[in-house]
Amino acid sequence: DAGVTQSPTHLIKTRGQQVTLRCSPKSGHDTVSWYQQALGQGPQFIFQYYEEEERQRGNFPDRFSGHQFPNYSSELNVNALLLGDSALYLCASSVLAYEQYFGPGTRLTVT
Amino acid sequence: AQTVTQSQPEMSVQEAETVTLSCTYDTSESDYYLFWYKQPPSRQMILVIRQEAYKQQNATENRFSVNFQKAAKSFSLKISDSQLGDAAMYFCAYRFTRDDKIIFGKGTRLHILP
Repeated sequence: DAGVTQSPTHLIKTRGQQVTLRCSPKSGHDTVSWYQQALGQGPQFIFQYYEEEERQRGNFPDRFSGHQFPNYSSELNVNALLLGDSALYLCASSVLAYEQYFGPGTRLTVT
Repeated sequence: AQTVTQSQPEMSVQEAETVTLSCTYDTSESDYYLFWYKQPPSRQMILVIRQEAYKQQNATENRFSVNFQKAAKSFSLKISDSQLGDAAMYFCAYRFTRDDKIIFGKGTRLHILP
C-alpha cells in the first residue's frame, strides 16, 4: 500500500514565477491538507481539501491556491513567487479529520 | 489563538539512555488532541504518539511515552533505551477536535551519541 506521494521532490524557481506541486493521498483517504515548513520551523497549515472543495484555510495569501481532483489527488499552486516562499511543502492525507499521514515533501527554492 | 512551544532547540542523549523532550501549549479549548511527530533527514513526518485530551491515562507506544499534564498544559515525550535511529527533529503538535489544522511547535533536534 503506497503512502502519500508528492512530486516533484525538489525544484528551483525564479521570483515572480508560478509553481504547481502535486500530491497523491494514501489509498482510502479522501482529504488532503497542505503545510509549509520554512527552514528551522515547524510546518504551518496552508489549507485542506475535501470533496474537491477548500474546507479550511490558514493564514496564507491568495497567491496560494489549490485543487482536489475526483480521485482525491491534489495540487498546490503558488503565483508570483517570493524569496520567502522557499520552504518544504508537505502534503498530508486523512479520512476527514482523522489522523493525517504526511508525504516526503517538495523542497521549493526561489531565487 | 492556540500555540505550541518547544523550549529545547537541541538535545543530546547517550545511546541506551532515557531522554525527555518538553512541550507546552496554550488553548482555551477542553477537547483536543496532542501529538509528537518525528522528522528524520528523509523529511517524512512520522507520527510517534497521540494523546486525546479527555483521557487521563498517558499514552505509550513501545519505548515512547508521554507525560500529559492538562491543567499545566504540558505534554512531554520520554524516549527510553534511545537508539541511533531515534535521531531526528521532534515536533510537538496540537489539534482542536472540531478543527482540521494541526499546529506545530518549532521542533527539538535530538542527537543520539554512540
